[in-house]
Amino acid sequence: NAGVTQTPKFQVLKTGQSMTLQCAQDMNHNSMYWYRQDPGMGLRLIYYSASEGTTDKGEVPNGYNVSRLNKREFSLRLESAAPSQTSVYFCASGQGQGYNSPLHFGNGTRLTVT
Amino acid sequence: QQQVKQSPQSLIVQKGGISIINCAYENTAFDYFPWYQQFPGKGPALLIAIRPDVSEKKEGRFTISFNKSAKQFSLHIMDSQPGDSATYFCAASTRLQGAQKLVFGQGTRLTINP
Repeated sequence: NAGVTQTPKFQVLKTGQSMTLQCAQDMNHNSMYWYRQDPGMGLRLIYYSASEGTTDKGEVPNGYNVSRLNKREFSLRLESAAPSQTSVYFCASGQGQGYNSPLHFGNGTRLTVT
Repeated sequence: QQQVKQSPQSLIVQKGGISIINCAYENTAFDYFPWYQQFPGKGPALLIAIRPDVSEKKEGRFTISFNKSAKQFSLHIMDSQPGDSATYFCAASTRLQGAQKLVFGQGTRLTINP
């Protein structure tokens, strides 16, 4: 049981380049999330998808787009990378909004934009 | 604007001691307060959580104390062990259309000295 799988693990981009971060979960969860983690800032929600076919903005959506490809997969795209997007990106999934529905996180993608 | 404020940023405790991490929130719409534990190179994982209608929850050596009127909650780790060395995040959640939108604190890096 792999849980939440993120690819790639590491990536270096030059300013202006684009890339897509991939996320897949095998727990049949309805909701999926993208967070970024920066020192001293905790984790901040970029986008989320409450169910297949829906996506919504989180706290820090500017510069990003997402696609909920199917129930398993939720991708994050940077169209024109900027140094301010240097961060560790985490994908998470959850069964819903109930009190007994913790989020399950992947192991992250470390992105550096030069 | 940090909706959930966490302190201290770092904490060093001797083995067998009590580790205490504090959080404060502002938004009274939050209705679920989890704590996540993160080891280096890994994603956060749920440690323990509490609902606002409960003042304390204990699971093994981990206890959450919750003060609704003060809008504060804290994590106590009793008999702290070197294996507890990790980064801890408090969070607060609002539930919206089937999703659980977590707002995280800044994180506390806990080191347990043997």
